[in-house]
Amino acid sequence: SQQGEEDPQALSIQEGENATMNCSYKTSINNLQWYRQNSGRGLVHLILIRSNEREKHSGRLRVTLDTSKKSSSLLITASRAADTASYFCATVNNFGNEKLTFGTGTRLTIIP
Amino acid sequence: EAQVTQNPRYLITVTGKKLTVTCSQNMNHEYMSWYRQDPGLGLRQIYYSMNVEVTDKGDVPEGYKVSRKEKRNFPLILESPSPNQTSLYFCASSRTGPYNEQFFGPGTRLTVL
Repeated sequence: SQQGEEDPQALSIQEGENATMNCSYKTSINNLQWYRQNSGRGLVHLILIRSNEREKHSGRLRVTLDTSKKSSSLLITASRAADTASYFCATVNNFGNEKLTFGTGTRLTIIP
Repeated sequence: EAQVTQNPRYLITVTGKKLTVTCSQNMNHEYMSWYRQDPGLGLRQIYYSMNVEVTDKGDVPEGYKVSRKEKRNFPLILESPSPNQTSLYFCASSRTGPYNEQFFGPGTRLTVL
């Protein structure tokens, strides 16, 4: 089963609006990462948040992490057409293996 | 330019015909891994390598082999491909492990007939 599950699976918003997508995971983690994938291309790292952090910002991106609820959210403010992509969260559990597990992703469409 | 390269980018083959997908990185990264991406299933890790001669299974290793003889290369081998291995494959690398930013290759779209 997937360690991370994104919600919603798909999201369409008007350009200029904010987009929020969520990620839930099952086990305790070391950190959580968010990636973007433009159609069929390789993933691009967006932001990493450590388990002892609650919020992190990078440009128009804001990530929160709630370890008690085992969830994270990615907020993209003032969306642009170029933000149209799939977004994935990825986690590494604290069990000592070195596996990075991705969620199933949220497909974001920005309507011009 | 720092990058991860994969070859071939597209491949159509037939069941049982051995194939190798190459992956190379020029960033002196220690950690490398392979993923497959299927609709509705996200990315699933096939194998990973913490360093030269050190490899380990990911979540879906069946039907695949890997080797890490040099730091920069991490080929994925399908000894006897089957149609259920039709997928989009990605190689990735990072400085020291899964806790770091991963750099992805452009992907290899494989079709097994």
